[in-house]
Amino acid sequence: EPEVTQTPSHQVTQMGQEVILRCVPISNHLYFYWYRQILGQKVEFLVSFYNNEISEKSEIFDDQFSVERPDGSNFTLKIRSTKLEDSAMYFCASRYRGEQPQHFGDGTRLSIL
Amino acid sequence: AQSVTQLDSHVSVSEGTPVLLRCNYSSSYSPSLFWYVQHPNKGLQLLLKYTSAATLVKGINGFEAEFKKSETSFHLTKPSAHMSDAAEYFCVVTQQWFGNEKLTFGTGTRLTIIP
Repeated sequence: EPEVTQTPSHQVTQMGQEVILRCVPISNHLYFYWYRQILGQKVEFLVSFYNNEISEKSEIFDDQFSVERPDGSNFTLKIRSTKLEDSAMYFCASRYRGEQPQHFGDGTRLSIL
Repeated sequence: AQSVTQLDSHVSVSEGTPVLLRCNYSSSYSPSLFWYVQHPNKGLQLLLKYTSAATLVKGINGFEAEFKKSETSFHLTKPSAHMSDAAEYFCVVTQQWFGNEKLTFGTGTRLTIIP
């Protein structure tokens, strides 16, 4: 069965540095998402992306965050200047369309030092 | 605004006994509801979904959930727990618009299975 894959599984970065989290969605999917889960807290929606543009973003997704689908297969989340509070598990998801559910990757654990 | 409330942060059951994980939702219109499961160090796997068809929904691994509009509930059940069911379970409500959707997660219920 096709899967959403995320790399790396664990990323350690110094505060203030830029970080890029990578995702390869399922190939025929049309909608792409990022969520995050701070340790011990619930999963939170960050952003949805469709037709090469952001279709919805949460208040968490401020100017420090950006998303891109540079080559038609990868879907990336960039954090420009990381803060300690960005430490979390980040999940990528993709969905075909209609009532099809979102499929999630295994996540990238981001640790900011 | 939509929300879900998972009434128990932690549930422990003995292997072979029934499982009940409780979820209540709040939505201004007919919602779509899901249960996802997260095993340690793994991603989120869809267990089952309700999208306004049958109110009793069957999912994978013997789980099922019943949508009760009068009680605004969507509780997850399984007749007989297995050790492999130990995981975190999330009740999720969707907001959909023009083909897109956003998931709103509950705070999760950690299920522990006692041998």
